[in-house]
Amino acid sequence: QVQLQESGPGLVKPSQTLSLTCTVSGGSITSGVRYWTWIRQFPGKGLEWIGYIHYNGFTYYNPSLKSRLTISVDTSKSQFSLQLSSMTAADTAVYYCARGYTYCDSWGPGTLVTVSS
Amino acid sequence: DIQMTQSPSSLSASVGDRVTITCRASENINNFLNWYQQKPGKAPNLLIYAASNLQNGVPSRFSGSASGTHFTLTISSLQPEDFTTYFCQQSHTTPYTFGQGTKVEIK
Repeated sequence: QVQLQESGPGLVKPSQTLSLTCTVSGGSITSGVRYWTWIRQFPGKGLEWIGYIHYNGFTYYNPSLKSRLTISVDTSKSQFSLQLSSMTAADTAVYYCARGYTYCDSWGPGTLVTVSS
Repeated sequence: DIQMTQSPSSLSASVGDRVTITCRASENINNFLNWYQQKPGKAPNLLIYAASNLQNGVPSRFSGSASGTHFTLTISSLQPEDFTTYFCQQSHTTPYTFGQGTKVEIK
């Protein structure tokens, strides 16, 4: 049973870059579904698809975030990562990593990221 | 972006009731519609994919159907653990988008 776990800072200052990592265990990041996704949920509970990556490095970014977003993968560590620059209060959300891209069948527990000075 | 409109935003029901939640897409999504259940403080959990396919391990009281751009999640007999929030999500056109959620509450 694959498990995912997000890690990173819970508090980011405005204009800084958020860096989150998702560690995949109990299964290979390079086999099976092989696509890995980031999704966020705002305090009002709305969900937003951030983007996804294939283990070979192919990425898709939500156009609304594309200019600030980088998603990368490190297959040797079974990890994939998100970097979101120029953070503002509007980026405050719970960030989830998940397996799959058209639909996600395994999710991390999520990590709350607050943007505040 | 494709807009997903869920209704109702909340509903009250009793254990044993049959419940229906609807999601309407702003354009054709060819049944690329998924349903998730989310309990407080937890990540969403996949219930149904491609409009009507039950995810492994999900109880058979959950079902999904489609008619054009209208999609339905049905819970045939509500159980105590089903009182929570449900989201639809389209995966036909990027960026994939979610409905605003339906909260099922105890009457």
